Amino acid sequence: QSVLTQPPSVSGAPGQRVTISCTGSSSNIGAGYDVHWYQQLPGTAPKLLIYGNSNRPSGVPDRFSGSKSGTSASLAITGLQAEDEADYYCQSFDSSLGGSVFGGGTKLTVL
Amino acid sequence: QVQLQESGPGLVKPSETLSLTCTVSGGSISSYYWSWIRRPPGKGLEWIGYIYYTGTTNYNPSLKSRVTMSVDTSRKQFSLELSSVTAADTAIYYCARIPGPYSGYDYWGQGTLVTVSS
Repeated sequence: QSVLTQPPSVSGAPGQRVTISCTGSSSNIGAGYDVHWYQQLPGTAPKLLIYGNSNRPSGVPDRFSGSKSGTSASLAITGLQAEDEADYYCQSFDSSLGGSVFGGGTKLTVL
Repeated sequence: QVQLQESGPGLVKPSETLSLTCTVSGGSISSYYWSWIRRPPGKGLEWIGYIYYTGTTNYNPSLKSRVTMSVDTSRKQFSLELSSVTAADTAIYYCARIPGPYSGYDYWGQGTLVTVSS
């Protein structure tokens, strides 16, 4: 059971928009700690996709965007492409744990 | 470009100690936190802990009694030891860099599969 809750899977057709939710609690997201998102392609290491709730590292397309409100955060992907098919994870800091917490991961399928 | 590379045995016997090392290249080991994260088969990512370049550590409470991390700044390496392993510790182990405790992990190693089996 992960501290941050994500849907196990989402899907969409090429060109469509999908969102992935990440729900936490008052000891992590709700406490004001930043949320970060990762994309993990099969057989590779996770790659930082969004940091500080809504910022994109250099090289990440602007089709990817993040937002945060209250105890939840969301990752939105517009203009879906086949190459976006991957696992996506959210991450934050938890004051009860004293360290990083991750969501269980969401598998994105591009139909 | 910062690069991280994990090294260590891919097979560990139950009750023994898992030992991994991460070598940092292309950047400084100073002024950053260095972390170990794992992904068991079919499961999500789990934070194991981090070590600051000064040697200060912070471990996941669920693993704290079995985890030891160390850093060697002269060799630009940091290490993980996980004692009394069981099959539940079978996972891909990643080392990663984090600028601060509240930050995102900006650089990752490729990961190394460690299997616990007799």
